[in-house]
Amino acid sequence: EARLLESGGGLAQPGGSLKLSCEVSGFMFGWSGMTWVRQVPGGGLEWVSTINNRGDNTHYAESVRGRFTISRDNSRNTLYLHMDSLRAEDTAVYYCAKDVSLGSVSLFEYWGQGTLVTVSS
Amino acid sequence: DIVMTQTPLYSSVTLGQSASISCRSSQSLVHSDGNTYLNWLHQRPGQPPRLLIYKISNRFSGVPDRFSGSGAGTDFTLRITRVEPEDVGIYYCMQATDFPRTFGPGTKVEIK
Repeated sequence: EARLLESGGGLAQPGGSLKLSCEVSGFMFGWSGMTWVRQVPGGGLEWVSTINNRGDNTHYAESVRGRFTISRDNSRNTLYLHMDSLRAEDTAVYYCAKDVSLGSVSLFEYWGQGTLVTVSS
Repeated sequence: DIVMTQTPLYSSVTLGQSASISCRSSQSLVHSDGNTYLNWLHQRPGQPPRLLIYKISNRFSGVPDRFSGSGAGTDFTLRITRVEPEDVGIYYCMQATDFPRTFGPGTKVEIK
């Protein structure tokens, strides 16, 4: 059974930093691209960032480019999102999800439960 | 960026009846590898999204055959037959053909 467990959310001040983690088990993490998606409470889904399986290719939403950094440690089956220069509009639940994967025809079939990030003074 | 639109944004359905949700993309979702990366997700309140359909019409493991997807290019449809109480929630189409990944605004489905 696939499990994705996010952690690291919480309260941060505007201009502050947080680092989210997503610990994965139950599927071939090292073969899988991984994505962060966020959702403002009561709002829709917004793609944030994606990293390929090797960690050498990354993509960012325009709204976070230059402030957020996605990374991964395949030896630890863990995905990260380092968030700097946080703004009030970054307040959301952040989900990690499996993206395109080698040897798998499906994508976005596995999601974490989400971690809430609140940016407020 | 590929813009995803959905209609309707709200649907009230009688138990046992059918519902359809349309999704349109601002450009073709056919990838250079020949696949069309159009997914349908379902989200209940307080829960993460759950994959129903991937690549237009493929039901993910464990998804009831009451759910079906169809379409091509820029126009796609999710159909739910014999609606059950657990089908309430918000349905999103999303594209993973290109970056940025983009989602539709969501269609809220309720039971009459």
